[in-house]
Amino acid sequence: NAGVTQTPKFRVLKTGQSMTLLCAQDMNHEYMYWYRQDPGMGLRLIHYSVGEGTTAKGEVPDGYNVSRLKKQNFLLGLESAAPSQTSVYFCASTPSGAIAKNIQYFGAGTRLSVL
Amino acid sequence: GNSVTQMEGPVTLSEEAFLTINCTYTATGYPSLFWYVQYPGEGLQLLLKATKADDKGSNKGFEATYRKETTSFHLEKGSVQVSDSAVYFCALIGSARQLTFGSGTQLTVLP
Repeated sequence: NAGVTQTPKFRVLKTGQSMTLLCAQDMNHEYMYWYRQDPGMGLRLIHYSVGEGTTAKGEVPDGYNVSRLKKQNFLLGLESAAPSQTSVYFCASTPSGAIAKNIQYFGAGTRLSVL
Repeated sequence: GNSVTQMEGPVTLSEEAFLTINCTYTATGYPSLFWYVQYPGEGLQLLLKATKADDKGSNKGFEATYRKETTSFHLEKGSVQVSDSAVYFCALIGSARQLTFGSGTQLTVLP
């Protein structure tokens, strides 16, 4: 009954360091998303994927890259972290069914601090 | 583009009080509307949804009605509990299948 699992849960980086956040879902969902959550701004879409091997830019893609090599995994990379990337990152997934695809299932989040 | 505006918080209520959190939206076409809830330290969970005008979504005593004429989807609950303390997000999904969120409203219910 895992659902959407994000690793790590917490991370502190120094400016210029790189890291990868992993999102894994066991529900066989087609669509996956990465969001960042900042105080007073709700969630903003970084990148998303509509299927294995595909990715697309969201609202705030700069400074991030993603890959979807396997259907169940969606990776978010920061090549050179900046303090402006301090945030809480959420992954979500949704099935491709006509009605069900409108509901997104979220992971518990990764809290990232860039010093 | 799509946008969602929701009532700014924080909102503090006593247990058994009536709750309203306002939400209005701007979108092209006929979006589906959602309320998500985020409990402390957790990810977002779907609370309720409505897919067309005049639909009422309901769950756990919460209700919201899709009002196309006023482009609104206000969240209500007749009697809140301490366990309802959380952050509530209004959201819509349009033709691109991407969720657009409001900024969130922090609710604290005091015993």
